[in-house]
Amino acid sequence: EAGVAQSPRYKIIEKRQSVAFWCNPISGHATLYWYQQILGQGPKLLIQFQNNGVVDDSQLPKDRFSAERLKGVDSTLKIQPAKLEDSAVYLCASSSRLLAGDGNEQFFGPGTRLTVL
Amino acid sequence: AQSVAQPEDQVNVAEGNPLTVKCTYSVSGNPYLFWYVQYPNRGLQFLLKYITGDNLVKGSYGFEAEFNKSQTSFHLKKPSALVSDSALYFCAVRASYNFNKFYFGSGTKLNVKP
Repeated sequence: EAGVAQSPRYKIIEKRQSVAFWCNPISGHATLYWYQQILGQGPKLLIQFQNNGVVDDSQLPKDRFSAERLKGVDSTLKIQPAKLEDSAVYLCASSSRLLAGDGNEQFFGPGTRLTVL
Repeated sequence: AQSVAQPEDQVNVAEGNPLTVKCTYSVSGNPYLFWYVQYPNRGLQFLLKYITGDNLVKGSYGFEAEFNKSQTSFHLKKPSALVSDSALYFCAVRASYNFNKFYFGSGTKLNVKP
C-alpha cells in the first residue's frame, strides 16, 4: 500500500511569512496526526483528527497555527506568521482507527523540513 | 501524566555485538508501547509494539523488546548489531484507556561501528 505523502519536503521562508504543508494519509486511515519535531527532540503532537473532526489540539499554538481536514482525507497545516522558533520538521502520521483500547501503530510520512530565517 | 524517558542520548556498539536501547515509561492504566526508528531525512518507521501477552516482542529487522511491568521499562534489543542499524530510535507510549496522544521519548542515537 502507498505510504503517507507529504509536500513540500523542504521549505525556507523568512520570519513573519506564511507557509502551508500538505499531507495525504494512507487510504482508509481515519486518524491523522501532525507533529512538530525540533532538532534533537522527539515528535510533539500538534493536532489529531478523527475523520474530519479535531480530537486533540491542546498543543497547537492557535494564534499562528491552523489545520484542517475538510473531507476527512488529506490535511493542510498552516503557519501564519512564522517565527524563528518554528524551524523544525513537521511530520504527518496516520492510523487506521482510534478507539479506546486500540493499539494500532502510526505510519509516518517523510516530513517537511521548515527553516525560518 | 503520561511520559517516556530514554536515558541515553547516544549508544555506541561494535558491529556484531548485542545492543540495548533503554526506555522507561509512566502511564496510568495499561500501556501500549512502541519503538520507531528514524533514518536521516526520513519519517519515523514502526519497528514493534507491545499491547498485551508475551513480554518479549519481536519486530522488524531482527529487533526485539522486553516489557517489564515492575520496572516500567520497554528496552529495545538486538543480538547482533549491523552498521546499517545506525539511526535515531524513539520509544512511545499510549495509555489503553486514552485514545488520544502518543507520547514520544527524546530519542537515542545508535552508532554501530564496523
